[in-house]
Amino acid sequence: AQSVTQPDIHITVSEGASLELRCNYSYGATPYLFWYVQSPGQGLQLLLKYFSGDTLVQGIKGFEAEFKRSQSSFNLRKPSVHWSDAAEYFCAVGYMNRDDKIIFGKGTRLHILP
Amino acid sequence: DAGITQSPRYKITETGRQVTLMCHQTWSHSYMFWYRQDLGHGLRLIYYSAAADITDKGEVPDGYVVSRSKTENFPLTLESATRSQTSVYFCASCWTGRNEQFFGPGTRLTVL
Repeated sequence: AQSVTQPDIHITVSEGASLELRCNYSYGATPYLFWYVQSPGQGLQLLLKYFSGDTLVQGIKGFEAEFKRSQSSFNLRKPSVHWSDAAEYFCAVGYMNRDDKIIFGKGTRLHILP
Repeated sequence: DAGITQSPRYKITETGRQVTLMCHQTWSHSYMFWYRQDLGHGLRLIYYSAAADITDKGEVPDGYVVSRSKTENFPLTLESATRSQTSVYFCASCWTGRNEQFFGPGTRLTVL
């Protein structure tokens, strides 16, 4: 079965430090990928998405992600985190030529130290 | 107001009762989805709908019923609630299955 793995359940970084959240997906010929963010008590908001083309995609709030087909990864990065980035982050994947569902990872909760 | 709304936002019910969670979107999106969010499980798809009168099962459909008679509404019914259905439920919608999904604010359901 298709799956998405976010290896880190919790990550803690200091404010101003760089961030990388990992996401690996099970192999699929033509994946399309998303990163969503969920603030406490809120629904999910799209940060960025990759469908095709440039493998480095820019998103909102200063986030970017890089699609690496050889590693089946789509890691999320930010050069300098802010206290307001504390939230839960979900990676999701879908596959062209399959059904229209996407599969979510279990999430990574980001904590920011002042 | 434009967007996607869910009602109620909070619900407490008892085991065995029927509960319906409502989802309404104003964009005329073709696709709508129901997810449940539980600690340690992330989001799991319950049911989805590609258009009015077309629904399909997701990963965890047992104990749930959906209908979609109108494009803008996608109610989720728990026919006989169980404690294991205590969760936060999110509705989402999008133009096609491969587009960004827009999420509602969620319904926190507690089954006693």
